[in-house]
Amino acid sequence: LAKTTQPISMDSYEGQEVNITCSHNNIATNDYITWYQQFPSQGPRFIIQGYKTKVTNEVASLFIPADRKSSTLSLPRVSLSDTAVYYCLVGDGVYSSASKIIFGSGTRLSIRP
Amino acid sequence: DAGVIQSPRHEVTEMGQEVTLRCKPISGHDYLFWYRQTMMRGLELLIYFNNNVPIDDSGMPEDRFSAKMPNASFSTLKIQPSEPRDSAVYFCASSPIPRPGQGKETQYFGPGTRLLVL
Repeated sequence: LAKTTQPISMDSYEGQEVNITCSHNNIATNDYITWYQQFPSQGPRFIIQGYKTKVTNEVASLFIPADRKSSTLSLPRVSLSDTAVYYCLVGDGVYSSASKIIFGSGTRLSIRP
Repeated sequence: DAGVIQSPRHEVTEMGQEVTLRCKPISGHDYLFWYRQTMMRGLELLIYFNNNVPIDDSGMPEDRFSAKMPNASFSTLKIQPSEPRDSAVYFCASSPIPRPGQGKETQYFGPGTRLLVL
């Protein structure tokens, strides 16, 4: 079971690049890394997913080193609206066991003007 | 697409009453999940279904909780009898079948039902 570890909270300012790192030392060969974003009073929202190297979409980039034991979510030029909780999940998506779907405590990102 | 629909959005009830939460997943999605979120325990998976069949209910806290999915477009989570410690936000999520090589863990969450048991 690939457990993830993230910082509890982070602070930054508008216009800065924010990098949130997630550790997953026991990641399995078939596991993907997925990041979700959750705003207050809303359900989590899928941001990005990757298996190795780098993935980029219109919202963020995801960097995964060769050993895949960690990953870094990069948010370029953040704004106040990026204030949210960010969750890192590791799993093969086969949904063969509910215990594999663990959101953890997430990282509470606060953006200041 | 309307996304995942949950009702009610807010529910206030008294201890001992039955509570029924409802969910309509995104059309065409084969998986449906029920989560509970509290400040103390975070986001916990309670149960999930695949093609209307419950696959794993190991996250259901106790026998007072039950979930059903009578068809592909509707699911319920029932608490009977309810207790104050059941107060939380309950989320429903749905997911399509993972496409080979396209990544897997992609769930679409509803807005949640905020439950308060007095």
